[in-house]
Amino acid sequence: DAKTTQPTSMDCAEGRAANLPCNHSTISGNEYVYWYRQIHSQGPQYIIHGLKNNETNEMASLIITEDRKSSTLILPHATLRDTAVYYCIVRLSGSARQLTFGSGTQLTVLP
Amino acid sequence: EPEVTQTPSHQVTQMGQEVILRCVPISNHLYFYWYRQILGQKVEFLVSFYNNEISEKSEIFDDQFSVERPDGSNFTLKIRSTKLEDSAMYFCASSEHRSYSGANVLTFGAGSRLTVL
Repeated sequence: DAKTTQPTSMDCAEGRAANLPCNHSTISGNEYVYWYRQIHSQGPQYIIHGLKNNETNEMASLIITEDRKSSTLILPHATLRDTAVYYCIVRLSGSARQLTFGSGTQLTVLP
Repeated sequence: EPEVTQTPSHQVTQMGQEVILRCVPISNHLYFYWYRQILGQKVEFLVSFYNNEISEKSEIFDDQFSVERPDGSNFTLKIRSTKLEDSAMYFCASSEHRSYSGANVLTFGAGSRLTVL
């Protein structure tokens, strides 16, 4: 599975969009990009995933660059409850193998 | 929304004792996982389980650990002789994954905090 690189921490003002970047320059054509988050001491929570196209759901949007070497998770209107560690994970399509969690990005939403 | 349920939420045990952590995965899910997170550290994979057998395990999952699906609904993690370093949050997860293509989304439980004294 391709390695991912994320900033260690980011701040965002409440009500503003939070844009969390992830670099996955060695991604292969059949690897998905997944985003999970972990609010302090809780279980990881699935947010969104994508392969090639941009994706949007009720929680967030995922923008994947055309060359697929990087992506951005967008929380359109961050709230204090979005303060969490956000993990970007790359995983082979069709694989039921486990997800490997890195250190992620600590997002702090400021009032 | 369906959820993964874990019990107990917190267990305190003496070193050397056996511990069983229980999980009820989402009912139509086929794959089951255990992860752990030592305080302040990363979420680490322990084991995955499919079709009543272990499909993948990490180096952490040594002979003191075992998993079982005893009754078709529960999925358990047993630690035979606990050590101080087993103190951690243990997360169960399950996924529906049914095809050889497509995404595999894991749903995690809230975790069981194990404290070994």
